[in-house]
Amino acid sequence: QLQLQESGPGLVKPSETLSLTCTVSGGSISSGSYSWGWIRQPPGKGLEWIGTISYTGSTYYYPSLKSRVTISVDTSKNQFSLNLTSVTAADTAMYFCARLPITGTGRGYLDNWGQGTLVTVSS
Amino acid sequence: DIVMTQSPDSLAVSLGERATINCKSSQSVLYSPNNKNYLGWYQQKPGQPPKLLIYWASTRESGVPDRFSGSGSGTEFTLTISSLQAEDVAVYYCQQYYSIPLTFGGGTKVEIK
Repeated sequence: QLQLQESGPGLVKPSETLSLTCTVSGGSISSGSYSWGWIRQPPGKGLEWIGTISYTGSTYYYPSLKSRVTISVDTSKNQFSLNLTSVTAADTAMYFCARLPITGTGRGYLDNWGQGTLVTVSS
Repeated sequence: DIVMTQSPDSLAVSLGERATINCKSSQSVLYSPNNKNYLGWYQQKPGQPPKLLIYWASTRESGVPDRFSGSGSGTEFTLTISSLQAEDVAVYYCQQYYSIPLTFGGGTKVEIK
């Protein structure tokens, strides 16, 4: 059974970099059948897609975040990661990682989600 | 960006009654070459991640009860819960995956009347 687990600091200072890792178990991140993504949800609000990475390393980002976001994959560890630079209070959110069963375009529905990790941006 | 608009924001339905949630996209999410609508529905219960219910607008995800159904095409879509159960209390979201950026509707909160 596929499982995704987010990990990383729960508190980040303004202007610093938010770094999260998603560890995939029960399946290979190298499978050509899937892409992998990050989504966030501010407290009490809706869902916002951040970006997607394919097993080949091709990346697709939300345009308004593109200058601050990097998603990368480490196939040896079966993990993918999110870096978000120059964070502000507006980046405070629950961050989810998820699997997309469509490859090659960055698009897709999200069929497996991690439990999420709350990241608060505060000094 | 494709804007997804859900209605209503919330609804209260009696147990065993039908619940209907609407989702409109600002442009068509129907891809003509394969005649597929790039539209998914999710259920999110408090303290949990979203759970995929429906993809391709009407295909039920494995393990999802058949009281959940999706319909519609182009720019207008509906999620129907045919007979509301207590465990269906949640927020429901639609999502388009026709184009980047992937976008979600604002959510519809379903409660028991």
